[in-house]
Amino acid sequence: DAGVTQSPTHLIKTRGQHVTLRCSPISGHKSVSWYQQVLGQGPQFIFQYYEKEERGRGNFPDRFSARQFPNYSSELNVNALLLGDSALYLCASSHWATGKMNTEAFFGQGTRLTVV
Amino acid sequence: TQLLEQSPQFLSIQEGENLTVYCNSSSVFSSLQWYRQEPGEGPVLLVTVVTGGEVKKLKRLTFQFGDARKDSSLHITAAQPGDTGLYLCAGGGFQKLVFGTGTRLLVSP
Repeated sequence: DAGVTQSPTHLIKTRGQHVTLRCSPISGHKSVSWYQQVLGQGPQFIFQYYEKEERGRGNFPDRFSARQFPNYSSELNVNALLLGDSALYLCASSHWATGKMNTEAFFGQGTRLTVV
Repeated sequence: TQLLEQSPQFLSIQEGENLTVYCNSSSVFSSLQWYRQEPGEGPVLLVTVVTGGEVKKLKRLTFQFGDARKDSSLHITAAQPGDTGLYLCAGGGFQKLVFGTGTRLLVSP
């Protein structure tokens, strides 16, 4: 079975540009979470989506947005890129339902974004 | 805001040595997870600890959850070069994980 897949794997953008990152969860997983990992630090939570609805948001500016599609894949969008947005962006999927036992989150290999 | 501090930040040892990595917080966590991340890859779950005082073993790795569920440790016995990587503790639920600052381990032959 395919794991969590993210695209592209690497991306170089210029300050002020917009970027879209994509994530396909493991088949059967309906929850997708996004994380930003700056070099030398642990990942930071950005968003969680479940059944196409936002279920959680971390401490990130409004330049960051996301959405989830009917097939449970997800996009992370970042507008007006800053140099400080350079990071590894990780997507994680899990089988999760409100009020039920949560299962392990599986991570993709990430998208390395460099803003110049 | 829940924060997780890890120590040490970086550890360079020789093959066969033992080591311990610490994960501390001022907040109580219902569970803590430990992940290992290799360059160019996403974190991979090693273990979840749930009960205060719990000890779990995974081959040469021993994980402990503090009695008050505010801290955890990872002990590696007889480290091998294959143990090299970034070790992350995390808590707060699988969908909205709060990650620690990370410990980068380098094991030389």
